[in-house]
Amino acid sequence: GAGVSQTPSNKVTEKGKYVELRCDPISGHTALYWYRQSLGQGPEFLIYFQGTGAADDSGLPNDRFFAVRPEGSVSTLKIQRTERGDSAVYLCASSLSDGANVLTFGAGSRLTVL
Amino acid sequence: AQTVTQSQPEMSVQEAETVTLSCTYDTSESDYYLFWYKQPPSRQMILVIRQEAYKQQNATENRFSVNFQKAAKSFSLKISDSQLGDAAMYFCAYRSDYGGATNKLIFGTGTLLAVQP
Repeated sequence: GAGVSQTPSNKVTEKGKYVELRCDPISGHTALYWYRQSLGQGPEFLIYFQGTGAADDSGLPNDRFFAVRPEGSVSTLKIQRTERGDSAVYLCASSLSDGANVLTFGAGSRLTVL
Repeated sequence: AQTVTQSQPEMSVQEAETVTLSCTYDTSESDYYLFWYKQPPSRQMILVIRQEAYKQQNATENRFSVNFQKAAKSFSLKISDSQLGDAAMYFCAYRSDYGGATNKLIFGTGTLLAVQP
């Protein structure tokens, strides 16, 4: 696609529920990143994929968070047993391979946990 | 660990005037990249300008320029001839250029820029 597409744009769920957030990167971009942006803060790195594999998942806050990219294109961020503190905007970004290539961000998925 | 600090939570500028947004960072590395991103209400982060630390010349993109002071670890953004469309949240970000460098960015907390007509 022309840009990075994220769905849903907004998601409201109840505490304890399971949530999936989807990211469709720019076609041909092998590197994909997930960031989390809490209210009033800058984005924080969660996980980075190069192709199908998670090259760096050091930013995932705990084992309730998991992400996959099975075919090296679309990625899904999965959050189990959601907590109110998980409420944030989840941003996805992609780039051509890596190194000096700049990131293109999506518009994010706003997650609200009641 | 690297940190990025933006000490101005909010700034305001008159249309057509010039404004400077401040950013300082802390790192022990010598090779890195610095960025300014703009985030309008649509939430999509848009790259405004980037600077490679090894380059002494300050980066410029049309009305946007930076003042990069490596020794002082300062990286300010100057917006000239401000336009209503410049109103947004601006984030300063750092990226290491070591060991298989990736786009794992470290962001500051942002500066909300208002442009007054």
